[in-house]
Amino acid sequence: GAGVSQSPRYKVAKRGQDVALRCDPISGHVSLFWYQQALGQGPEFLTYFQNEAQLDKSGLPSDRFFAERPEGSVSTLKIQRTQQEDSAVYLCASSQSTGLAKNIQYFGAGTRLSVL
Amino acid sequence: RKEVEQDPGPFNVPEGATVAFNCTYSNSASQSFFWYRQDCRKEPKLLMSVYSSGNEDGRFTAQLNRASQYISLLIRDSKLSDSATYLCVVKGNDYKLSFGAGTTVTVRA
Repeated sequence: GAGVSQSPRYKVAKRGQDVALRCDPISGHVSLFWYQQALGQGPEFLTYFQNEAQLDKSGLPSDRFFAERPEGSVSTLKIQRTQQEDSAVYLCASSQSTGLAKNIQYFGAGTRLSVL
Repeated sequence: RKEVEQDPGPFNVPEGATVAFNCTYSNSASQSFFWYRQDCRKEPKLLMSVYSSGNEDGRFTAQLNRASQYISLLIRDSKLSDSATYLCVVKGNDYKLSFGAGTTVTVRA
């Protein structure tokens, strides 16, 4: 079946521009996660949704970052007034639930954001 | 100090060789452990979960040492296709995954 789909795959933004990154999770997956991966580093947790509820946004680096999942499926990560330090790959992951400790997260291919 | 530390490598090995590397984690309350594989410019993909008793999946063997808080991965009979970055991943009793920075393995012909 279809995996996690992210768009766009690449985004170039001028500093100060707003961007919106989209994630289509695996159908039926309750949990959705956003991660930020800087060059040469592992992914870092940004935020977590269970259905439409954003239960954890502790990893968002600043108030310029905003995420939503209004109908409990597709999610959008928005970055306002982009800065050069926002340049990274933004990964979305989904899982069936979080009830099991070993529940597996499946990742999308990511959006590579470059801020000039 | 990062929650998960890995030797970045790179480990350059010939085909057929055995390669092994570790990671350490700082949170003794961690519950679940995984190795993910990430190819260049691709998404991380689950390679295997790591269980307390150690586990094998074909040519891959993972070990967990809770007392010393380290996890290891061993790859036997390396193939060219094993060239990738291997991410050590730790999970507490919730939903957050904590990733190491990855260990790069290059298998040469």
